[in-house]
Amino acid sequence: DTEVTQTPKHLVMGMTNKKSLKCEQHMGHRAMYWYKQKAKKPPELMFVYSYEKLSINESVPSRFSPECPNSSLLNLHLHALQPEDSALYLCASSRGEGYEQYFGPGTRLTVT
Amino acid sequence: GIQVEQSPPDLILQEGANSTLRCNFSDSVNNLQWFHQNPWGQLINLFYIPSGTKQNGRLSATTVATERYSLLYISSSQTTDSGVYFCAAIEAGNNRKLIWGLGTSLAVNP
Repeated sequence: DTEVTQTPKHLVMGMTNKKSLKCEQHMGHRAMYWYKQKAKKPPELMFVYSYEKLSINESVPSRFSPECPNSSLLNLHLHALQPEDSALYLCASSRGEGYEQYFGPGTRLTVT
Repeated sequence: GIQVEQSPPDLILQEGANSTLRCNFSDSVNNLQWFHQNPWGQLINLFYIPSGTKQNGRLSATTVATERYSLLYISSSQTTDSGVYFCAAIEAGNNRKLIWGLGTSLAVNP
């Protein structure tokens, strides 16, 4: 099973809302990633968790808050977002940092 | 840090045609991946190929690590091959981040 799942598929939220994106993998991978992708651009790394600990934070604004409750789950908590945060948010996992990454289908986020 | 460049940026094919996409990287790599992003946004792993040659159906890839390039071959293209093809690499050494090329946007016309 080489599947990474993400929920929801689509999300529309106002600038004062709080919402969460969820990601799950059952491949026994120990590294999990959040990426942000704008139209016609490659994905940009936001966060990396390795063995459930935050390993990389790419200077992401604090309105994005990651959480790794266990080795299979990764959340991204959203609060007070701006319209420019509208994008496709992709989750990925790998056996460890530096190994082949597998991506989920993404959550398309619109901030109004 | 490493730079990854892809060519061509855009490609239009007739169904049934063959094509070659290129990825150049500026330093030695531990990890090189090819992805296909379909029109719905799903990033599909095509190959993990830091060196050597692999084939999967109509697709094959070759990475010549000593010359710092990788090629993705698509044969007998189909309309479902349309989308963006990304190459991404992790620099050798103590580096853990995938560095992405800007992609090749492929349109296959019926």
